[in-house]
Amino acid sequence: NAGVTQTPKFRILKIGQSMTLQCAQDMNHNYMYWYRQDPGMGLKLIYYSVGAGITDKGEVPNGYNVSRSTTEDFPLRLELAAPSQTSVYFCASSPDTDTQYFGPGTRLTVL
Amino acid sequence: QKEVEQNSGPLSVPEGAIASLNCTYSDRGSQSFFWYRQYSGKSPELIMSIYSNGDKEDGRFTAQLNKASQYVSLLIRDSQPSDSATYLCAGGGHGSGNTGKLIFGQGTTLQVKP
Repeated sequence: NAGVTQTPKFRILKIGQSMTLQCAQDMNHNYMYWYRQDPGMGLKLIYYSVGAGITDKGEVPNGYNVSRSTTEDFPLRLELAAPSQTSVYFCASSPDTDTQYFGPGTRLTVL
Repeated sequence: QKEVEQNSGPLSVPEGAIASLNCTYSDRGSQSFFWYRQYSGKSPELIMSIYSNGDKEDGRFTAQLNKASQYVSLLIRDSQPSDSATYLCAGGGHGSGNTGKLIFGQGTTLQVKP
């Protein structure tokens, strides 16, 4: 199993551009999560999903959107990128709401 | 607002010593607590979970939970240089209806010196 994969690893965006961060898992987990981690800080939940077709907002959803059309994929869309969205983005999945397995992260810089 | 608080450190201990990491939480409805380890530039990895008051031991790690004091701790015995990392405390729900949402603290950086 590849586990949780994220692409790209690094990205530089200009202010106002849009992009999609990809997340996929091959463990057939129902629960998936998107977090952002600012330097020296913990993780903040952006959006989460409890199964295909079901998504909901976390602590910091503004400026982001998600979709979950399949169990495997949970892409995160950034519209109109702003410098405040410079962060490391982690995707995670879980089989049971307890153990979350994290992807390697995407480091995003908005200039 | 639900919060989980940790001292950011760094906490420095000599090799072989006991490292004690602490965490407090504001939401009395939190029922599950987790410790994640994060090496620099890497993703978090779950090392301990605890749901009931008291101690839970797993190898060199012991998690402690005191719901009355809203306090969670992680003890690492016989600390090794490879334990040097940031330790993230997180609180969440449990049982029916739980979505697995977690509130994370800012993390405590542990340095184990040879």
